[in-house]
Amino acid sequence: DSGVTQTPKHLITATGQRVTLRCSPRSGDLSVYWYQQSLDQGLQFLIQYYNGEERAKGNILERFSAQQFPDLHSELNLSSLELGDSALYFCASSVRRGTGELFFGEGSRLTVL
Amino acid sequence: AQSVTQPDIHITVSEGASLELRCNYSYGATPYLFWYVQSPGQGLQLLLKYFSGDTLVQGIKGFEAEFKRSQSSFNLRKPSVHWSDAAEYFCAVGYSSGGSYIPTFGRGTSLIVHP
Repeated sequence: DSGVTQTPKHLITATGQRVTLRCSPRSGDLSVYWYQQSLDQGLQFLIQYYNGEERAKGNILERFSAQQFPDLHSELNLSSLELGDSALYFCASSVRRGTGELFFGEGSRLTVL
Repeated sequence: AQSVTQPDIHITVSEGASLELRCNYSYGATPYLFWYVQSPGQGLQLLLKYFSGDTLVQGIKGFEAEFKRSQSSFNLRKPSVHWSDAAEYFCAVGYSSGGSYIPTFGRGTSLIVHP
């Protein structure tokens, strides 16, 4: 158990819909990262937050957004969903601003039909 | 831009045999290097990391990796594989962005262990 909690574990929705994925980092970790894992693209970095502020941005689509709240949990919002958005979405956390040593949650599997 | 290449998509070994998983990276500065393991239905778990110093690093579960700057490689090794080592293995290089190091992952190597 990494200490990172992600909900929901599985989500099935239709094209055009919007979903929110939630992540609670390990106790004491200020930094949260979001990754997308798919067969086509592998593990792709989406975005990172540190203590409520966006710190780094990767290959995140404009239809996707994220935020980190004062209690340090984070949410990833995916809107206008397309079939290609079906993937496993991982949240990870790290101490301070991070050295790249990440603790991953078990992921949220999104299926868009 | 940084990148990581894991040339082997699948590797099959017999239980008790030795293992080496290859990883090559491209990064302009001194790299932070990692190996992560992903078991089916699980998130990624850090096996080991290299930041600086001794180029041979020890990790959990009996794994080790050697950083070779001249070859831009960070290969993962284990002297004797157990059936429970069957999983997906990811090499990553951490690049600096916004004061943090963001891991860029390779495509992974799937390890199959035969009894």
